[in-house]
Amino acid sequence: DQQVKQNSPSLSVQEGRISILNCDYTNSMFDYFLWYKKYPAEGPTFLISISSIKDKNEDGRFTVFLNKSAKHLSLHIVPSQPGDSAVYFCAASGGCTSYGKLTFGQGTILTVHP
Amino acid sequence: GAGVSQSPSNKVTEKGKDVELRCDPISGHTALYWYRQSLGQGLEFLIYFQGNSAPDKSGLPSDRFSAERTGGSVSTLTIQRTQQEDSAVYLCASSKQASMGTDTQYFGPGTRLTVL
Repeated sequence: DQQVKQNSPSLSVQEGRISILNCDYTNSMFDYFLWYKKYPAEGPTFLISISSIKDKNEDGRFTVFLNKSAKHLSLHIVPSQPGDSAVYFCAASGGCTSYGKLTFGQGTILTVHP
Repeated sequence: GAGVSQSPSNKVTEKGKDVELRCDPISGHTALYWYRQSLGQGLEFLIYFQGNSAPDKSGLPSDRFSAERTGGSVSTLTIQRTQQEDSAVYLCASSKQASMGTDTQYFGPGTRLTVL
C-alpha cells in the first residue's frame, strides 16, 4: 500500500526553466511534508518542508505547494540549474504515533540540461 | 560538525550469513532511524529509537532483522541468515528529537548490502 506516490519516475528540464515535481498521498493523518534531494552514493539531504496548516512555503529557488483537499503537493524549482540534477523524494509524517517516522515516495530523477 | 556516519559503505555477503551494519548519529541527537532503499523503490522505514524509550520496530520486515542502540548513541542493525531480497541500501538518520515529528532528519551515506 503506497501511501506516498511520485508518479513521474523522471523529469528533464532545460537550465533556467521551471522544474515541477509532483507527489500524491492517501493517508489523511499526514500533517507534515518534506522534500529530500539525493545524489548518487550519498544519503538524502533535506530540502524544504511544509506543515498542513500552510499551503505554500518558499526558500530561495524552491517552493513547495500543498493542496490538502486533493492530497497533493508539488515542488517548484525556479530557475533550474544543472547542479539540481538529482533524485527528489517526497516524504510525509503525521498521526499521533508517527514520532517523525517518514513515509517516502519512490523518487523522481530530475535532469537539468545546460 | 560531523554528520551521520555509517559503516561499512559496501557489504557483499553470501546468502545465509549474518551481517551487522553500524550507524554513528550526530552528537546530541536523541532520535535515530533506520530506513532501507531497495532498487527502484523509495525509502522504507525499519525502526526508530528515541532516548531511553522502547524502540518502534513496526517497520522491520521479519524477525531476522534486529537493531540496538547502545548508550543512546551508536546503533547496530543486524540481519541474520541473509536472503537475496535483503539486498538494498540501508540508511540511518538522526534528529534532535522525535516527539514533535518535525525535527529535520539528517541521513548518513548508507550501506549498500549485496547478498549473493
